[in-house]
Amino acid sequence: GAVVSQHPSWVICKSGTSVKIECRSLDFQATTMFWYRQFPKQSLMLMATSNEGSKATYEQGVEKDKFLINHASLTLSTLTVTSAHPEDSSFYICSARETGYDTGELFFGEGSRLTVL
Amino acid sequence: GQNIDQPTEMTATEGAIVQINCTYQTSGFNGLFWYQQHAGEAPTFLSYNVLDGLEEKGRFSSFLSRSKGYSYLLLKELQMKDSASYLCAVRDSNYQLIWGAGTKLIIKP
Repeated sequence: GAVVSQHPSWVICKSGTSVKIECRSLDFQATTMFWYRQFPKQSLMLMATSNEGSKATYEQGVEKDKFLINHASLTLSTLTVTSAHPEDSSFYICSARETGYDTGELFFGEGSRLTVL
Repeated sequence: GQNIDQPTEMTATEGAIVQINCTYQTSGFNGLFWYQQHAGEAPTFLSYNVLDGLEEKGRFSSFLSRSKGYSYLLLKELQMKDSASYLCAVRDSNYQLIWGAGTKLIIKP
């Protein structure tokens, strides 16, 4: 099946710094990628929809200036958490839908666990 | 508003059968998905239903009734590795995925 790789898997940073998380589709092209965050024992919360070559669509309540999303190619989307604070500590997961296929299946990255000290 | 309901937690015995229910109220319907998520890992796709009826895939089956806004995931011959959270998600008229909170399934020997 299609593979989505997310990097880094774990990151610890100091409060006030910025962290970039990459999401790559390894063997398929993804016009659309999705970014989620998940708190312990809770479900996925969609943060934004990333579209190649255009601005991301953010969900209500998600600060676009704090969570910068760039989808510069058909295989790479990045999420940058700017000026991170302890409350941004969470599990961030990306998913991708293969361009041209509408089976509805999403392929998920491994997730990135962010801890802000 | 849009809403997906599924039980928070279920317990079953190894080798047995368990059914996880999901009810939904969404703005339109373009398919229902079940995902499995082990603790600390990303979700993995299990099934996709867009028409009424039962879809069988090995030990797992998924059922959909659009008129009732209802689905279930049936797991047979339970194994310890099936201990995980099971997420129900519905794609609405805008092709947005609405996620349920997940059902934590605990398998006991």
